[in-house]
Amino acid sequence: EAEVAQSPRYKITEKSQAVAFWCDPISGHATLYWYRQILGQGPELLVQFQDESVVDDSQLPKDRFSAERLKGVDSTLKIQPAELGDSAMYLCASSLGDRITDTQYFGPGTRLTVL
Amino acid sequence: KQEVTQIPAALSVPEGENLVLNCSFTDSAIYNLQWFRQDPGKGLTSLLLIQSSQREQTSGRLNASLDKSSGRSTLYIAASQPGDSATYLCAVIQGGSEKLVFGKGTKLTVNP
Repeated sequence: EAEVAQSPRYKITEKSQAVAFWCDPISGHATLYWYRQILGQGPELLVQFQDESVVDDSQLPKDRFSAERLKGVDSTLKIQPAELGDSAMYLCASSLGDRITDTQYFGPGTRLTVL
Repeated sequence: KQEVTQIPAALSVPEGENLVLNCSFTDSAIYNLQWFRQDPGKGLTSLLLIQSSQREQTSGRLNASLDKSSGRSTLYIAASQPGDSATYLCAVIQGGSEKLVFGKGTKLTVNP
Protein backbone atom coordinates (compact mmCIF):
# COMPACT_ATOMS: atom_id res chain seq x y z
CA GLU A 1 0.00 0.00 0.00
CA ALA A 2 1.37 3.42 -0.96
CA GLU A 3 2.37 5.66 1.93
CA VAL A 4 3.54 9.20 2.56
CA ALA A 5 7.24 9.16 3.41
CA GLN A 6 8.94 11.64 5.74
CA SER A 7 12.50 12.07 6.92
CA PRO A 8 14.11 12.35 9.31
CA ARG A 9 11.81 10.72 11.84
CA TYR A 10 13.52 12.50 14.72
CA LYS A 11 15.59 15.67 14.84
CA ILE A 12 17.28 17.33 17.80
CA THR A 13 18.78 20.75 17.27
CA GLU A 14 19.87 23.78 19.23
CA LYS A 15 18.01 27.05 19.01
CA SER A 16 19.18 29.40 16.28
CA GLN A 17 20.21 26.46 14.06
CA ALA A 18 18.57 25.63 10.74
CA VAL A 19 16.55 22.45 10.23
CA ALA A 20 14.87 20.91 7.21
CA PHE A 21 12.25 18.21 6.81
CA TRP A 22 11.46 16.23 3.70
CA CYS A 23 8.18 14.71 2.51
CA ASP A 24 7.40 12.42 -0.42
CA PRO A 25 3.64 12.15 -1.01
CA ILE A 26 1.76 9.21 -2.43
CA SER A 27 2.45 8.97 -6.15
CA GLY A 28 -0.08 10.90 -8.18
CA HIS A 29 -1.33 13.01 -5.29
CA ALA A 30 -1.55 16.61 -6.40
CA THR A 31 -2.17 18.20 -3.02
CA LEU A 32 0.40 18.24 -0.22
CA TYR A 33 -0.01 19.60 3.30
CA TRP A 34 2.39 20.39 6.14
CA TYR A 35 0.96 20.38 9.66
CA ARG A 36 2.48 21.16 13.05
CA GLN A 37 1.27 19.23 16.09
CA ILE A 38 2.31 20.43 19.53
CA LEU A 39 2.21 17.72 22.21
CA GLY A 40 -1.33 17.26 23.48
CA GLN A 41 -2.88 19.32 20.69
CA GLY A 42 -4.43 18.57 17.34
CA PRO A 43 -2.47 19.25 14.14
CA GLU A 44 -2.59 22.76 12.68
CA LEU A 45 -2.12 23.44 8.98
CA LEU A 46 1.06 25.36 8.11
CA VAL A 47 0.98 25.25 4.32
CA GLN A 48 -0.94 23.62 1.48
CA PHE A 49 0.39 23.00 -2.05
CA GLN A 50 -1.57 22.24 -5.18
CA ASP A 51 1.08 20.76 -7.48
CA GLU A 52 3.98 23.21 -7.13
CA SER A 53 1.86 26.20 -6.12
CA VAL A 54 1.13 27.39 -2.60
CA VAL A 55 -2.62 27.42 -2.00
CA ASP A 56 -2.61 28.45 1.66
CA ASP A 57 0.28 29.54 3.86
CA SER A 58 -1.66 31.90 6.10
CA GLN A 59 -0.53 30.08 9.28
CA LEU A 60 3.12 29.71 8.25
CA PRO A 61 5.47 31.96 10.31
CA LYS A 62 7.18 33.33 7.25
CA ASP A 63 9.92 35.14 9.14
CA ARG A 64 11.51 31.78 9.94
CA PHE A 65 9.65 29.06 8.06
CA SER A 66 9.78 28.31 4.36
CA ALA A 67 8.32 25.51 2.26
CA GLU A 68 8.80 24.48 -1.32
CA ARG A 69 7.58 21.86 -3.75
CA LEU A 70 9.62 22.73 -6.80
CA LYS A 71 8.58 19.95 -9.18
CA GLY A 72 5.17 19.35 -7.70
CA VAL A 73 6.21 16.05 -6.16
CA ASP A 74 8.27 15.98 -2.96
CA SER A 75 8.48 18.91 -0.58
CA THR A 76 10.85 20.46 1.95
CA LEU A 77 9.93 22.47 5.04
CA LYS A 78 12.70 24.58 6.54
CA ILE A 79 13.04 26.46 9.81
CA GLN A 80 15.75 29.06 10.24
CA PRO A 81 16.50 29.94 12.95
CA ALA A 82 14.82 27.32 15.15
CA GLU A 83 13.31 28.49 18.43
CA LEU A 84 12.40 26.56 21.58
CA GLY A 85 8.70 26.91 20.78
CA ASP A 86 9.17 25.07 17.48
CA SER A 87 9.49 21.75 19.30
CA ALA A 88 6.64 19.69 17.89
CA MET A 89 5.69 16.90 15.50
CA TYR A 90 5.70 18.01 11.87
CA LEU A 91 3.28 15.99 9.79
CA CYS A 92 3.02 15.81 6.03
CA ALA A 93 -0.15 14.69 4.28
CA SER A 94 -1.26 14.29 0.70
CA SER A 95 -4.52 13.91 -1.16
CA LEU A 96 -5.43 12.99 -4.71
CA GLY A 97 -6.94 16.37 -5.56
CA ASP A 98 -8.06 19.50 -3.85
CA ARG A 99 -11.69 18.61 -3.43
CA ILE A 100 -12.91 18.88 0.12
CA THR A 101 -14.13 15.31 -0.13
CA ASP A 102 -10.64 13.94 -0.79
CA THR A 103 -9.18 11.96 2.08
CA GLN A 104 -5.85 13.18 3.40
CA TYR A 105 -3.21 10.50 3.98
CA PHE A 106 -0.64 11.29 6.65
CA GLY A 107 3.00 10.37 6.93
CA PRO A 108 4.66 9.18 10.17
CA GLY A 109 5.88 12.68 11.03
CA THR A 110 9.16 14.24 12.11
CA ARG A 111 9.56 14.83 15.83
CA LEU A 112 11.59 18.04 16.34
CA THR A 113 13.19 18.90 19.66
CA VAL A 114 14.84 22.31 20.00
CA LEU A 115 17.26 22.64 22.93
CA LYS B 1 -13.45 30.88 14.35
CA GLN B 2 -14.25 27.18 14.34
CA GLU B 3 -13.38 25.34 17.54
CA VAL B 4 -13.48 21.57 17.93
CA THR B 5 -13.73 20.05 21.40
CA GLN B 6 -13.33 16.42 22.33
CA ILE B 7 -14.55 14.90 25.55
CA PRO B 8 -13.21 13.09 27.47
CA ALA B 9 -9.52 13.91 27.08
CA ALA B 10 -8.64 10.40 28.25
CA LEU B 11 -10.59 7.20 28.72
CA SER B 12 -9.60 3.82 30.15
CA VAL B 13 -11.87 0.80 29.69
CA PRO B 14 -11.65 -2.99 30.09
CA GLU B 15 -11.43 -5.14 26.99
CA GLY B 16 -14.78 -6.01 25.43
CA GLU B 17 -16.58 -2.87 26.51
CA ASN B 18 -18.54 -0.73 24.06
CA LEU B 19 -17.59 2.94 24.24
CA VAL B 20 -18.44 6.36 22.83
CA LEU B 21 -16.12 9.25 22.09
CA ASN B 22 -17.58 12.71 21.73
CA CYS B 23 -16.74 15.61 19.45
CA SER B 24 -18.41 19.03 19.29
CA PHE B 25 -17.83 21.97 16.98
CA THR B 26 -18.92 25.58 17.29
CA ASP B 27 -19.78 26.41 13.67
CA SER B 28 -22.22 24.07 11.94
CA ALA B 29 -21.22 25.29 8.46
CA ILE B 30 -18.97 22.34 7.74
CA TYR B 31 -18.39 20.30 4.59
CA ASN B 32 -17.52 17.09 6.36
CA LEU B 33 -16.21 15.56 9.57
CA GLN B 34 -13.46 12.98 9.92
CA TRP B 35 -12.29 10.72 12.70
CA PHE B 36 -8.60 9.84 12.81
CA ARG B 37 -6.53 7.47 14.88
CA GLN B 38 -3.00 8.34 16.04
CA ASP B 39 -0.69 5.82 17.65
CA PRO B 40 2.06 7.19 19.95
CA GLY B 41 4.74 9.02 17.98
CA LYS B 42 3.08 8.21 14.68
CA GLY B 43 1.08 9.92 11.98
CA LEU B 44 -2.70 9.93 11.58
CA THR B 45 -4.85 7.24 10.02
CA SER B 46 -8.25 8.22 8.67
CA LEU B 47 -10.98 6.02 10.14
CA LEU B 48 -14.25 7.48 8.91
CA LEU B 49 -15.36 10.49 6.87
CA ILE B 50 -18.94 11.77 7.11
CA GLN B 51 -20.19 14.25 4.53
CA SER B 52 -22.31 17.11 5.85
CA SER B 53 -25.39 15.60 4.20
CA GLN B 54 -24.89 12.23 5.90
CA ARG B 55 -25.94 11.13 9.38
CA GLU B 56 -23.53 8.27 9.97
CA GLN B 57 -20.79 6.04 8.60
CA THR B 58 -19.75 2.55 9.62
CA SER B 59 -16.55 0.59 9.25
CA GLY B 60 -16.25 -2.73 11.00
CA ARG B 61 -16.62 -2.17 14.76
CA LEU B 62 -16.64 1.61 14.31
CA ASN B 63 -19.70 3.78 13.81
CA ALA B 64 -19.58 7.56 13.55
CA SER B 65 -22.63 9.78 13.67
CA LEU B 66 -23.05 13.43 12.79
CA ASP B 67 -25.67 15.89 14.02
CA LYS B 68 -24.66 18.98 12.11
CA SER B 69 -27.39 21.23 13.48
CA SER B 70 -26.31 20.65 17.07
CA GLY B 71 -22.61 20.63 16.25
CA ARG B 72 -21.94 17.13 17.53
CA SER B 73 -20.43 13.85 16.42
CA THR B 74 -19.86 10.58 18.22
CA LEU B 75 -17.55 7.69 17.49
CA TYR B 76 -18.88 4.38 18.76
CA ILE B 77 -16.43 1.51 19.19
CA ALA B 78 -17.98 -1.91 19.75
CA ALA B 79 -16.32 -4.73 21.66
CA SER B 80 -13.12 -2.78 22.32
CA GLN B 81 -9.75 -4.53 22.06
CA PRO B 82 -6.28 -3.66 23.44
CA GLY B 83 -5.23 -2.91 19.86
CA ASP B 84 -7.75 -0.05 19.83
CA SER B 85 -5.57 1.84 22.33
CA ALA B 86 -4.58 5.11 20.65
CA THR B 87 -5.53 8.77 20.48
CA TYR B 88 -8.65 9.48 18.46
CA LEU B 89 -8.90 12.86 16.75
CA CYS B 90 -11.95 14.52 15.31
CA ALA B 91 -11.59 17.11 12.54
CA VAL B 92 -13.97 19.20 10.46
CA ILE B 93 -13.55 20.91 7.13
CA GLN B 94 -14.86 24.40 7.62
CA GLY B 95 -17.09 25.83 4.93
CA GLY B 96 -15.29 28.48 2.92
CA SER B 97 -11.79 27.63 4.11
CA GLU B 98 -11.43 23.98 3.08
CA LYS B 99 -9.07 23.50 6.03
CA LEU B 100 -9.14 20.60 8.45
CA VAL B 101 -9.68 21.93 11.99
CA PHE B 102 -8.75 19.37 14.61
CA GLY B 103 -9.76 18.73 18.19
CA LYS B 104 -7.15 17.87 20.80
CA GLY B 105 -8.09 14.20 20.79
CA THR B 106 -9.22 11.54 23.23
CA LYS B 107 -6.55 9.15 24.48
CA LEU B 108 -8.11 5.69 24.73
CA THR B 109 -6.59 2.83 26.71
CA VAL B 110 -8.19 -0.60 26.49
CA ASN B 111 -6.98 -2.87 29.26
CA PRO B 112 -6.70 -6.63 28.67
